[in-house]
Amino acid sequence: AQSVTQLDSQVPVFEEAPVELRCNYSSSVSVYLFWYVQYPNQGLQLLLKYLSGSTLVKGINGFEAEFNKSQTSFHLRKPSVHISDTAEYFCAVSGQSGRRALTFGSGTRLQVQP
Amino acid sequence: DTAVSQTPKYLVTQMGNDKSIKCEQNLGHDTMYWYKQDSKKFLKIMFSYNNKELIINETVPNRFSPKSPDKAHLNLHINSLELGDSAVYFCASSRVEGEQFFGPGTRLTVL
Repeated sequence: AQSVTQLDSQVPVFEEAPVELRCNYSSSVSVYLFWYVQYPNQGLQLLLKYLSGSTLVKGINGFEAEFNKSQTSFHLRKPSVHISDTAEYFCAVSGQSGRRALTFGSGTRLQVQP
Repeated sequence: DTAVSQTPKYLVTQMGNDKSIKCEQNLGHDTMYWYKQDSKKFLKIMFSYNNKELIINETVPNRFSPKSPDKAHLNLHINSLELGDSAVYFCASSRVEGEQFFGPGTRLTVL
């Protein structure tokens, strides 16, 4: 079984400030890791993914995340946020074999203020 | 071209009715999924099909029945709708290994 914990339900931040959205996971099998973004009244868009290789993953819109196996974490970072980054962010995991459905965290609302 | 499309985008209906949501993907993917997003934005897998074969069926009431006529389509039929079925339903698709691509969602409101 897998589970994902997003520690912060809301993160307010000022424009051009750095931000980190935290994600921890639990799994009895090896996993793939993802971050998705959901803008209001829209579907989910993939920001970045970790399948294998380098633990530092770069995604779209200037976001990056680091996979830390020992701490079972996959935190999302951006060095300078924009108003347009205001959205809901979801961390998700899937098994590397067998069951591949995504298990999502509860989401973090990023609110960028001018 | 839209990669994963769903119809309708909005669905408002009365309790007890039967309704269907359609999903199509033009990505050539083998696997399709239905997820439910509740009012608190929590997303949970409902079903997964691989090459038209059901491979995941979570603890979903049997009023919900997925149907996959071919690899590119996965429809969701809901019988005897209840108030608690109100949610946003997302279709997604993927290759066997890889990220999932999501449709725009169908917002179902049961009155």
